[in-house]
Amino acid sequence: GQNIDQPTEMTATEGAIVQINCTYQTSGFNGLFWYQQHAGEAPTFLSYNVLDGLEEKGRFSSFLSRSKGYSYLLLKELQMKDSASYLCAVSLYNQGGKLIFGQGTELSVKP
Amino acid sequence: EAQVTQNPRYLITVTGKKLTVTCSQNMNHEYMSWYRQDPGLGLRQIYYSMNVEVTDKGDVPEGYKVSRKEKRNFPLILESPSPNQTSLYFCASSSRGTVMSPLHFGNGTRLTVT
Repeated sequence: GQNIDQPTEMTATEGAIVQINCTYQTSGFNGLFWYQQHAGEAPTFLSYNVLDGLEEKGRFSSFLSRSKGYSYLLLKELQMKDSASYLCAVSLYNQGGKLIFGQGTELSVKP
Repeated sequence: EAQVTQNPRYLITVTGKKLTVTCSQNMNHEYMSWYRQDPGLGLRQIYYSMNVEVTDKGDVPEGYKVSRKEKRNFPLILESPSPNQTSLYFCASSSRGTVMSPLHFGNGTRLTVT
């Protein structure tokens, strides 16, 4: 079976750094996506990792370890507008159309 | 403007009354997919299409149908809706499946079946 785990909720302070973890056990792996979803809105793409290591994009970075089935999203200099749900999703190998999502991590940023 | 358009945004219906949720994209994307989102369960894939006339089941296809007669459109059909299909539905598209190609999502359709 396919399984993706993320913490359900996290709280952090404005200006701080927060790390959102994602572990996965899937039958095959093609890459891992992170999406951001504000309440009542559609998910929007943040990052994509296919090789081990860190991908940096401004205040957001994403890390992948394929051997450990592990990824994290790092958000720096947190802003109130970063309060949202963060979704980890795995693209399955040899199934170019299947994308499995974790249940999402609800991040609350407090002043 | 590049976008995925879903209609309607909100829909309330009764058990057994057939309905269609439309989805259209203007980015010439080959891949399109439908998801439902429920509290505590995240986004679950219903059906996807790698190209015109090619559709495949996702993880929760029961009770749904799709068609892909044209590249831009991918309607979701509920032949006989039931209350357990009450959910938030998202259509999405990408240029090349789910490999290296991020999804562009529509704004969602909130469906209530009574």
